[in-house]
Amino acid sequence: NAGVTQTPKFRVLKTGQSMTLLCAQDMNHEYMYWYRQDPGMGLRLIHYSVGEGTTAKGEVPDGYNVSRLKKQNFLLGLESAAPSQTSVYFCASSNSGWLGEQFFGPGTRLTVL
Amino acid sequence: AQSVTQLDSQVPVFEEAPVELRCNYSSSVSVYLFWYVQYPNQGLQLLLKYLSGSTLVKGINGFEAEFNKSQTSFHLRKPSVHISDTAEYFCAVSAGAAGNKLTFGGGTRVLVKP
Repeated sequence: NAGVTQTPKFRVLKTGQSMTLLCAQDMNHEYMYWYRQDPGMGLRLIHYSVGEGTTAKGEVPDGYNVSRLKKQNFLLGLESAAPSQTSVYFCASSNSGWLGEQFFGPGTRLTVL
Repeated sequence: AQSVTQLDSQVPVFEEAPVELRCNYSSSVSVYLFWYVQYPNQGLQLLLKYLSGSTLVKGINGFEAEFNKSQTSFHLRKPSVHISDTAEYFCAVSAGAAGNKLTFGGGTRVLVKP
């Protein structure tokens, strides 16, 4: 039982490049989330999904897109990376909506030059 | 709108001493409150949560928190810390009848010294 896994762990991009972050969970959770963590700002919600085939915007969605084609996977895409997107990205999942425990992956550290 | 303020960005504490991490929230509707812990180079883990009922909530690893509606606070405490409690702690709030997106505070970094 791996829980929540994220790929890759580290990535360096140049401004304007694109990439996709993959999140996978093996707990059969309905809800999945993407957050970014910046120093002193806690975690901010980028996008989330309440089930397979659904996605919704969070607090800071601009510059990101997501897809949830399979229940266990939640992909975060950056179409044209900017230095402001340098951050640590966390994926999480839960089975009880907003009031349930969220299980987090280990994070992806992204640097955009 | 909901918001969370963690008043201390860093808290140094000696091993076996008590620690209190302060969290204040702002919301015009009912709230649900959480504390998460992040150990170095890891994701977050739930320490405890308040949904309803007793205002004193006990969590894992000997931590507890008290919901105080009049003070709009949800402070986290541990009577005796260990080196292994060195981590960053995040308070979070979800507001509304059925809950809503979690809003996290900026985090408090706890450094336990021997």
